[in-house]
Amino acid sequence: SQKIEQNSEALNIQEGKTATLTCNYTNYSPAYLQWYRQDPGRGPVFLLLIRENEKEKRKERLKVTFDTTLKQSLFHITASQPADSATYLCALGKGSSNTGKLIFGQGTTLQVKP
Amino acid sequence: GAGVSQTPSNKVTEKGKYVELRCDPISGHTALYWYRQSLGQGPEFLIYFQGTGAADDSGLPNDRFFAVRPEGSVSTLKIQRTERGDSAVYLCASSLTPGAREAFFGQGTRLTVV
Repeated sequence: SQKIEQNSEALNIQEGKTATLTCNYTNYSPAYLQWYRQDPGRGPVFLLLIRENEKEKRKERLKVTFDTTLKQSLFHITASQPADSATYLCALGKGSSNTGKLIFGQGTTLQVKP
Repeated sequence: GAGVSQTPSNKVTEKGKYVELRCDPISGHTALYWYRQSLGQGPEFLIYFQGTGAADDSGLPNDRFFAVRPEGSVSTLKIQRTERGDSAVYLCASSLTPGAREAFFGQGTRLTVV
């Protein structure tokens, strides 16, 4: 069956370090992958989209990689700050139906300590 | 409006009652999505509208759940004969067009069935 896995345990890092979050999937062939940030009591907020033919995408302190052979995406936050503390969700989208319907992972909680 | 608006923000109802959850998407967004999120999990797709029509309702768990979008803007998710297992945060998202693009989420409606 289709499965998306993110680090189930919270990730705790020191301010200034690089946070790396993992998203692995099985039995799925996404056309694109998105990362969202979610704060407690709020809806997810879009961060980055990467397509199946792209290896890497960057936006300010954020970097996403997408390896369709390994079926994995890595999400990096460089020079992390306490304000980066949140839950990060990866979401896969299929291109064939082109609906924009997303399949989400369970999320990884990041805690950046000052 | 400036963003996706969902009302009410919280809803407590008794088992067996009927509830309606409202979503007001960003003006001009043709694609609208409903998701359901349980504690500690990622959002789970329920239904997608393109304009007024439900283009994909494959995520609706059973026939107690129904959604409409009669004029292609505001959408209402309707749940009949609520059960305790329906308790979750119901999220609405919209995007300018369907497909591989950013989805804008509302803050969600927290439904509690007692």
